[in-house]
Amino acid sequence: AQKVTQAQTEISVVEKEDVTLDCVYETRDTTYYLFWYKQPPSGELVFLIRRNSFDEQNEISGRYSWNFQKSTSSFNFTITASQVVDSAVYFCALRTNFGNEKLTFGTGTRLTIIP
Amino acid sequence: DGGITQSPKYLFRKEGQNVTLSCEQNLNHDAMYWYRQDPGQGLRLIYYSQIVNDFQKGDIAEGYSVSREKKESFPLTVTSAQKNPTAFYLCASSIDSASGELFFGEGSRLTVL
Repeated sequence: AQKVTQAQTEISVVEKEDVTLDCVYETRDTTYYLFWYKQPPSGELVFLIRRNSFDEQNEISGRYSWNFQKSTSSFNFTITASQVVDSAVYFCALRTNFGNEKLTFGTGTRLTIIP
Repeated sequence: DGGITQSPKYLFRKEGQNVTLSCEQNLNHDAMYWYRQDPGQGLRLIYYSQIVNDFQKGDIAEGYSVSREKKESFPLTVTSAQKNPTAFYLCASSIDSASGELFFGEGSRLTVL
């Protein structure tokens, strides 16, 4: 069985502060993919990143960065210098091997950036 | 513009009625999905389709039905057998079922009165 835990239900930070969203996953498969999606108030989820289990390099994209640590089964997401447009619900998701077509989503973290 | 269109955005239904949610994509994607989102529960997979004329049950398929007669279209019917149909429904597609990178529509919010 696979599981994704996002323990932070809601986070509020003041604009320009850095914020980290936590994601812990469980799987017995050795090959898997991890994802982050953003859900703005409009409703649709927007893909942010995909990482495979063999690539533990951290990734940076502008103000966004991701820290993948297999030793702690975590795939955390950091937004630096947060902006009001970052306010959204963020989902972490897990997919295991090519035969399994399903993404398992966490329960999401609602991030509010206070101007 | 390419994307996924869901309709209607809001829908009200009386108990005992079936209702069909539309999902159309012009991305030429093979795979399509239906998810249900409830507060505090994340997204749960209802049905998915890897190719035209084929679909599989997800984790919570009971009370729902789908069809995939055309590549572009994957409608979801919420039947009267679904005990708790009030929810936010999201349709998604991906270039193929191995990708994992999903493109989502803006969702349909169904309320049962």
